[in-house]
Amino acid sequence: GAVVSQHPSWVICKSGTSVKIECRSLDFQATTMFWYRQFPKQSLMLMATSNEGSKATYEQGVEKDKFLINHASLTLSTLTVTSAHPEDSSFYICSAPPDTEAFFGQGTRLTVV
Amino acid sequence: SQQGEEDPQALSIQEGENATMNCSYKTSINNLQWYRQNSGRGLVHLILIRSNEREKHSGRLRVTLDTSKKSSSLLITASRAADTASYFCATAHTGTASKLTFGTGTRLQVTL
Repeated sequence: GAVVSQHPSWVICKSGTSVKIECRSLDFQATTMFWYRQFPKQSLMLMATSNEGSKATYEQGVEKDKFLINHASLTLSTLTVTSAHPEDSSFYICSAPPDTEAFFGQGTRLTVV
Repeated sequence: SQQGEEDPQALSIQEGENATMNCSYKTSINNLQWYRQNSGRGLVHLILIRSNEREKHSGRLRVTLDTSKKSSSLLITASRAADTASYFCATAHTGTASKLTFGTGTRLQVTL
């Protein structure tokens, strides 16, 4: 099946710094990727849709200036959490749909201290 | 919120028993998918059922879909300790490709 690779798998950063998370489709091209956030013991909530070559589409309540998304190529989307704060600590996970079945990255656990 | 709901929120059974999880959603769908998530890890796709299908099987998994009731169920037969995980339903809506709306999840614990 299709493979989506996400990096890093975990990161600890200081409050106020920025963190970049990468999502790569390894064996297919993805014009669209999705970024989700999951708080402990909760479900996944869609944050934004990443579109290759154009601006990302953010879900209601997600700050686009805080969560910067860049989809510069057909195999790579990045999510940058800017000026991170402890409340941004969460599990971030991307997905890419080669067809109707979504394939997910391994996720990134972000801890802001 | 468009998020679907699952019940039960938590389920504890013994190995060998069957586990049934239910999912309800709010708007018309293109397909419904079930995913499994081990603690703190990524999601594993289990099965996809399209809106024009009513039942689907994959190994020990059986999924049903009732679009009139906007509900689905996942049955895991002859459960094993290794089935312990969280299970999520996710709906894909018409015209949104694989943009998924996840249910609230069921935490399954299978004990020996």
